Amino acid sequence: QVQLLESGPGLVKASETLSLTCSVSGYPISSGYYWGWIRQPPGKGLEWIGSIFHSGSTSYNPSLQSRVTISVDTSKNQFSLKLNSVTAADTAVFYCARSPHCFSGSCHNGGLYFEYWGQGTLVPVSS
Amino acid sequence: QSALTQPASVSGSPGQSVTISCTGTTSDVGGYNFVSWYQQHPGKVPKLMIYHVTNRPSGVSNRFSGSKSGNTASLTISGLQAEDEADYYCTSYTSSSTLVFGGGTKLTVL
Repeated sequence: QVQLLESGPGLVKASETLSLTCSVSGYPISSGYYWGWIRQPPGKGLEWIGSIFHSGSTSYNPSLQSRVTISVDTSKNQFSLKLNSVTAADTAVFYCARSPHCFSGSCHNGGLYFEYWGQGTLVPVSS
Repeated sequence: QSALTQPASVSGSPGQSVTISCTGTTSDVGGYNFVSWYQQHPGKVPKLMIYHVTNRPSGVSNRFSGSKSGNTASLTISGLQAEDEADYYCTSYTSSSTLVFGGGTKLTVL
């Protein structure tokens, strides 16, 4: 059973860097799949942030690309998110998820959908 | 990239069918058969309901079905039940090797 669990500070100050880690159990990240981050501001919709392959290949939302870095640590079976220069608008529940990227023998950078999700973690940004 | 367009809300009575649309462009929905749908109850984690336009993951009721025509994908829920009341989101792969979500649709079971 694949399980994902987000962890990180419960509060971030404006202009600083938000850092989160997703710990994966039940499946070795090094075996494949893309691993992604999605956020949801309170009362609003879902937004894809970006995804990473075990090799380190990444794909980012163009609207966030300048502020986002996603990295992977296969030895710890974890992947991480850093979002810098945060503002109150970055307050959200952050989810990590596993993302299949191959279909009918063809594989696609960035992943295709999200099949397993973490429980999510709320990160408020204080001004 | 622009979010996919979904109606803000839809409603239906128990037993009826409802359809939620998801409109994009030839660079996303229209260009690939990689549309997925998620159900999210208040305060809960999104749940995958449909992937690759028409495929249901194991355990998802066959009352949920997906389709696509041109740049618009659709999620149809038949035999509406009270437990189907939730927010629904579509997402699509794009020509830039990214993913884009729709704005979400609130389904109310009357």
